[in-house]
Amino acid sequence: GAGVSQSPSNKVTEKGKDVELRCDPISGHTALYWYRQSLGQGLEFLIYFQGNSAPDKSGLPSDRFSAERTGGSVSTLTIQRTQQEDSAVYLCASSLDPRISGVSYNEQFFGPGTRLTVL
Amino acid sequence: AQKITQTQPGMFVQEKEAVTLDCTYDTSDPSYGLFWYKQPSSGEMIFLIYQGSYDQQNATEGRYSLNFQKARKSANLVISASQLGDSAMYFCAMRGTNTNAGKSTFGDGTTLTVKP
Repeated sequence: GAGVSQSPSNKVTEKGKDVELRCDPISGHTALYWYRQSLGQGLEFLIYFQGNSAPDKSGLPSDRFSAERTGGSVSTLTIQRTQQEDSAVYLCASSLDPRISGVSYNEQFFGPGTRLTVL
Repeated sequence: AQKITQTQPGMFVQEKEAVTLDCTYDTSDPSYGLFWYKQPSSGEMIFLIYQGSYDQQNATEGRYSLNFQKARKSANLVISASQLGDSAMYFCAMRGTNTNAGKSTFGDGTTLTVKP
């Protein structure tokens, strides 16, 4: 079946502009995650959605970052007034409900990422 | 708060030999999950293996096994019979359960190079 898809694959923008990154999770996955990966670094958690519960926004680095998930499916990560330090690869992942123990509920499936470059 | 430490920035292994990638962790959650992911140069993140903190046995998936030592807070990845295609960055990660189930913490990664 179809995996997690993200668009665009690459985005170049000018400092101060707003950008929107899109994620389409695997159908039936109730959990959706956004991460940021700077060059040569590990993944930095940004936000987590689970079903209709309030999202865990604890990883968002500033109030310029926001995300929403419409209809429990597609998610959009918005970065306002982009800065050069926002340049990174933004990865989206989805899974079954991770609150249930067991590998099948905890395996996250990642999209190919969006490479954001802020000039 | 959760913390993952991977102390080996780079590792080399001869093809067909076994290699151990180190991972130590710290958490205040009584129940948690530990993960390993592989990231080839293409950039995709590939799930390898999962260990629940209350699982009685160490997890295994094909050539991958997780050497889980709870008292030492370590979750080392063992790759047996290394192949050239195993050359990649490897990340150890963890997350809690229930309300903390969604927030994963990743280590800085280990770059593994398999020599022919």
